[in-house]
Amino acid sequence: QQQVKQSPQSLIVQKGGISIINCAYENTAFDYFPWYQQFPGKGPALLIAIRPDVSEKKEGRFTISFNKSAKQFSLHIMDSQPGDSATYFCAANGNQFYFGTGTSLTVIP
Amino acid sequence: DAMVIQNPRYQVTQFGKPVTLSCSQTLNHNVMYWYQQKSSQAPKLLFHYYDKDFNNEADTPDNFQSRRPNTSFCFLDIRSPGLGDTAMYLCATSRDTGRTEAFFGQGTRLTVV
Repeated sequence: QQQVKQSPQSLIVQKGGISIINCAYENTAFDYFPWYQQFPGKGPALLIAIRPDVSEKKEGRFTISFNKSAKQFSLHIMDSQPGDSATYFCAANGNQFYFGTGTSLTVIP
Repeated sequence: DAMVIQNPRYQVTQFGKPVTLSCSQTLNHNVMYWYQQKSSQAPKLLFHYYDKDFNNEADTPDNFQSRRPNTSFCFLDIRSPGLGDTAMYLCATSRDTGRTEAFFGQGTRLTVV
C-alpha cells in the first residue's frame, strides 16, 4: 500500500515558470514532511521540510504548502531554472520515512 | 564533506554470488536505513536500525540481511542475488525517528549479471 501518493509523475515547465508537485497521505501519525531532490546517479538530498503545525514554509524559491485537514502538501518551485531539472520525492515520517513515487521535472530554457 | 559514505559506488556481481554493501556515517546518528531504488521508482525501505535494534520491513525478502557492528557502520548483505535485485541501494541516517531529517549517501549501483 502506497503510504504517500504523489502527482504528477512528470512535469515540463518553461524557465521562469512555477513548478507544482502534490502529495497526499493517509496516516495521521506522520509528523514530518520533507521533500528530496535527486539527480541521476546520486542519492536524494533534502530540499525543504515542514512539520504539521505550520501551513507554509518558504526557503528561497522553494515553498511547501501544507493542508493538515486535507492531508495534502505540495512543493512550489518559483522561477524554475534548468538546473532544477531532477526527480523530486515527497516523503512522510512517523517513525520511518515513506516516499512518494517521484516527479520527474524538466525545465526547458 | 560527505557525511554518509557508501562503498562501493558501483558493484557488479554474478547471479547467486553473495555481495556486501557498506555504509558509514560521521554524524553519530542513532538511526541507519537501507533503501532499494529501482529505475524510475521511489526508494523502498528494506530495514532500519535504531542503535542496535533491527527493524525489518514485512515485505523485505529473507535474501537481504543487515549488520550494524557499531554506530558508524552498517552493512547490507545480499545472500544470493537475483537479476531482480539490480538496483540502486541507498543508505540514510537520521538522528532519531520521527520529526527529523534523513541524510542519504550517494548510493551503490548494484548490477546482477
